[in-house]
Amino acid sequence: DTEVTQTPKHLVMGMTNKKSLKCEQHMGHRAMYWYKQKAKKPPELMFVYSYEKLSINESVPSRFSPECPNSSLLNLHLHALQPEDSALYLCASTSGTSGLNTEAFFGQGTRLTVV
Amino acid sequence: AQSVTQLGSHVSVSEGALVLLRCNYSSSVPPYLFWYVQYPNQGLQLLLKYTSAATLVKGINGFEAEFKKSETSFHLTKPSAHMSDAAEYFCAVAGNTPLVFGKGTRLSVIA
Repeated sequence: DTEVTQTPKHLVMGMTNKKSLKCEQHMGHRAMYWYKQKAKKPPELMFVYSYEKLSINESVPSRFSPECPNSSLLNLHLHALQPEDSALYLCASTSGTSGLNTEAFFGQGTRLTVV
Repeated sequence: AQSVTQLGSHVSVSEGALVLLRCNYSSSVPPYLFWYVQYPNQGLQLLLKYTSAATLVKGINGFEAEFKKSETSFHLTKPSAHMSDAAEYFCAVAGNTPLVFGKGTRLSVIA
């Protein structure tokens, strides 16, 4: 199984809502990532979890709150988002965090629209 | 520090023609290089990767890339374009940091 599964595929939320994005992998990977991708742009790294601990936060606003309940699951909690936060949110996993072990497996993404 | 530069934000080829997507990298450590493809509203799929075992790397869907250290390049090629190759292509480099992506090249294939 080389899949990274993200739910939901689409999400529309108001600026006062609280919602969560979910990501799951069963490849035994020990690093998981959240990326944000705007239209016609490359993915931008948001967070990295390594062995279930937050290792990188790329100065992401606090309205985005990641959580790694166990080695297979990664959540992104959303609260008080702005319309400019609308984007494709991608989850990825890697077996490690350096060198060849950074070959990333990506989920299909969640298309988020903030209204 | 690591970075990737993709030359050409948009490449257009005729069906059956050669595909060449350019990627140059910069890395302070021996690099690992990757090409990913992204279809509209989907995630990224790995096409191929350079692992230092061989400089000519073959990937899925008939794509290949050659690592040239002297030119710091890792260009992606395919001998004959197919309509289904139309997509966004990202070159990425890894070393001692998470993947760093280039800005992407949109490939259009004309019938």
